[in-house]
Amino acid sequence: LAKTTQPISMDSYEGQEVNITCSHNNIATNDYITWYQQFPSQGPRFIIQGYKTKVTNEVASLFIPADRKSSTLSLPRVSLSDTAVYYCLVGEGAGNNRKLIWGLGTSLGVNP
Amino acid sequence: DTEVTQTPKHLVMGMTNKKSLKCEQHMGHRAMYWYKQKAKKPPELMFVYSYEKLSINESVPSRFSPECPNSSLLNLHLHALQPEDSALYLCASSRTGGPNTEAFFGQGTRLTVV
Repeated sequence: LAKTTQPISMDSYEGQEVNITCSHNNIATNDYITWYQQFPSQGPRFIIQGYKTKVTNEVASLFIPADRKSSTLSLPRVSLSDTAVYYCLVGEGAGNNRKLIWGLGTSLGVNP
Repeated sequence: DTEVTQTPKHLVMGMTNKKSLKCEQHMGHRAMYWYKQKAKKPPELMFVYSYEKLSINESVPSRFSPECPNSSLLNLHLHALQPEDSALYLCASSRTGGPNTEAFFGQGTRLTVV
């Protein structure tokens, strides 16, 4: 059964780089790793997705080692507005029943 | 237009009421989802529609009844709910139904059952 494990909470300061690591020991061969961000009382928002090595977009970077059993979301130079819950997701199931499994989320607090 | 629009934003209903939640997207996405989210918990998948057909029902009680009238609309009909059904109900859509496809979420409907 695919599942993800991530820290419950993290604290940082404005301008710092934040790295959130997620463990997914049973990730399937064809699964991608996806991260979402959620602000209070809003729907989640897609941040980044990757399969292996490193992916970078305008918001974040995602580092995935060769064994793919973990991944690290990197947020460069965070600001107060990055205070949110960050979810790591992998897939589960087969065929038409494949779906995303949500981790419990990491609550990131950014302080001035 | 990258929006998923949910109405209403807030809903208070009694346990004997019948109400419906609505969701709309105009991105041409062919998969739509209903999630339930309790406070400080991750979203829980309830239903998935793929090409207007129900493809996943996560053993949701029959007091929740989904409907997909067309590829842009998704409804969730509510009947005889319990107070523990109070939660944020999120609708999402994606280009296809696969787990590796980016999903776009609405702002949610905050449901309170009294």
